[in-house]
Amino acid sequence: DIQMTQSPSSLSASVGDRVTITCRASQGIRNDLGWYQQKPGKAPKCLISAASSLQSGVPSRFSGSGFGTEFTLTISSLQPEDFATYYCLQHNSYPRTFGQGTKVEVK
Amino acid sequence: EVQLVESGGGLVQPGGSLRLSCAASGFIFSSHWMTWVRQAPGKGPEWVANIKYDGSEKYYVDSVRGRLTISRDNAENSLYLQMNSLRAEDTAIYYCARGLELPLYWGQGTLVTVSS
Repeated sequence: DIQMTQSPSSLSASVGDRVTITCRASQGIRNDLGWYQQKPGKAPKCLISAASSLQSGVPSRFSGSGFGTEFTLTISSLQPEDFATYYCLQHNSYPRTFGQGTKVEVK
Repeated sequence: EVQLVESGGGLVQPGGSLRLSCAASGFIFSSHWMTWVRQAPGKGPEWVANIKYDGSEKYYVDSVRGRLTISRDNAENSLYLQMNSLRAEDTAIYYCARGLELPLYWGQGTLVTVSS
């Protein structure tokens, strides 16, 4: 199975901050990766597909990059509604695997 | 509007069985791969299984293979997860989702609790 190692597991930030979350794959997965945002009591919501393609309706302050084994999700200017937990998901091979998550909290 | 509504969750004893259902609407169900994802309390999501649009291919995570079975009825626009030999570690919210690669549409989930 491909292991997805996400870091950090949590971070504290303020509104307006630039936030970066990293996901590392245990083997190359091309750009077969998505990023999800999850708020308490809700299902995950896909923000980015193919490592860097913004889903329709997702604010442009979110961006993704990477290829192969290292990927990054960046929030350029954190907004109040962005405090949530973020997960990466690889779909290069079975079983699909999620990262452990990054909780973005208020500083 | 794409809608996915799960049902069938509940409390079951270890070793017991449960069948989850997911009613789909707002899209051509028979044209899409479907997926089950679960999330244990306080944990991250775990991909469980998916099934091809015609039911001819199915994939599972190792921890459920042989105990959980994914199926679908395209005439009824429904997805199922038959859960047998349930264990405490199967306790989770189970989400039905649409998509082969990245699940883009999700239901609200149904809670399965395995406990004596």
